Amino acid sequence: SQTIHQWPATLVQPVGSPLSLECTVEGTSNPNLYWYRQAAGRGLQLLFYSVGIGQISSEVPQNLSASRPQDRQFILSSKKLLLSDSGFYLCAWNRDNEQFFGPGTRLTVL
Amino acid sequence: AQRVTQPEKLLSVFKGAPVELKCNYSYSGSPELFWYVQYSRQRLQLLLRHISRESIKGFTADLNKGETSFHLKKPFAQEEDSAMYYCALLIRANAGGTSYGKLTFGQGTILTVHP
Repeated sequence: SQTIHQWPATLVQPVGSPLSLECTVEGTSNPNLYWYRQAAGRGLQLLFYSVGIGQISSEVPQNLSASRPQDRQFILSSKKLLLSDSGFYLCAWNRDNEQFFGPGTRLTVL
Repeated sequence: AQRVTQPEKLLSVFKGAPVELKCNYSYSGSPELFWYVQYSRQRLQLLLRHISRESIKGFTADLNKGETSFHLKKPFAQEEDSAMYYCALLIRANAGGTSYGKLTFGQGTILTVHP
C-alpha cells in the first residue's frame, strides 16, 4: 500500500535561518506531488506541485522553493525564513484525482 | 481564476440536529468538487466527491451548478463528526505532457457537535 511521510513533525526556527522539509512516498512510482500550507484563518494554499523529477511548478510567489531530486522525494526549502512562513505544511500525492496527505510539519518562525 | 468559498469558519450544532456546511465555487470550466475532512490528530482525508454521488458517514453533497454550490449535509449530526471540513475544487491541467489535478481549497469550517 502507499504511504506518505513527512519530517520533521514540528520545527521552531529563528527568522533568517534556512529551512528544509522532506516528504517521501512509498508504494507508488512517478506520483504527482504537492506542497500545501495551512495558515491560520487562510485555509489550505497550494504552494508547489511536481509531475516528475526536477519538474517543479510554483503556484504563488514567495520566500520558499521546492525540489524533487528523486521520484518519490519532494523537498520544501528556504534560504532565509520570515515570520510569515510560520504554518502547517502538508505534502500530498495524487491518485485518481484523490489527494492523499502526509501528517504535516508544524513550522514556527520566531 | 477559480475560487472556493466557505462562509462559515465555525459551526456548532447539537447532537441529532441537522447540519449543513456551505461551499460556493467560482470556475469557468466543468467543476469537480470534493469535501475533505480532518479529525483531531488525524490526517486530512477525502470524505466524498460529487462524481460518486454517494453518502459517506451519513453525509451527502449535491452539486448545484445554477447556484455554484456544493453544500455538505447530514440530517442527524453525531459527536464524532466534529472536525475541520474543507471544500475543494479540482482543476485538471497538463505539464510537459503529463496530466495532473490541482485542488483549490476553501478556508475550512470547524464543525463542533455538542452532546
